[in-house]
Amino acid sequence: NAGVTQTPKFRILKIGQSMTLQCTQDMNHNYMYWYRQDPGMGLKLIYYSVGAGITDKGEVPNGYNVSRSTTEDFPLRLESAAPSQTSVYFCASSLGDSAYEQYFGPGTRLTVT
Amino acid sequence: GQNIDQPTEMTATEGAIVQINCTYQTSGFNGLFWYQQHAGEAPTFLSYNVLDGLEEKGRFSSFLSRSKGYSYLLLKELQMKDSASYLCAVKDSNYQLIWGAGTKLIIKP
Repeated sequence: NAGVTQTPKFRILKIGQSMTLQCTQDMNHNYMYWYRQDPGMGLKLIYYSVGAGITDKGEVPNGYNVSRSTTEDFPLRLESAAPSQTSVYFCASSLGDSAYEQYFGPGTRLTVT
Repeated sequence: GQNIDQPTEMTATEGAIVQINCTYQTSGFNGLFWYQQHAGEAPTFLSYNVLDGLEEKGRFSSFLSRSKGYSYLLLKELQMKDSASYLCAVKDSNYQLIWGAGTKLIIKP
């Protein structure tokens, strides 16, 4: 049982480049989330999904896109990278939206120069 | 606006007890979570409170007062491995988690 996996672990992008951050979970969780974590700041929700085919914006969605074609996968796409997107990105999943804890992937450290 | 406040950093001694406070102002309340995050790693779940009172889980306990918008995490018999950041998060009326910036706990021998 791998839990939540993310690739890549590290990436350096040039301004304007695009990339997809991959996230997969094997716990059959319906709910999945993408967060970014900046130094000295709390985790900020980018996008979330309550099931395959359903996605919704979080607090900071601008510059990102997501899709959820299967229960397991929830990729995050950056279409045109900007320095403000330099951050650590965490994917998480949970069984539900109430008392259920979120399980986090190991994170992707992204630098945009 | 929604706000979660925690101290930025705390220092404690191995074997001692430390209390990390969290105050919140959110649109609605559907539970409060504490997570532990070691440097360079992902957050991991520690505790959940939805009703007032104390929840105990081994060396860790978490307290909630909804009327005061206040919670604390109590760590007993501190070990060096407890050096980490402790994140307080509240589920608002939309069941979204609002996160505090975290408290970095430094344990000294």
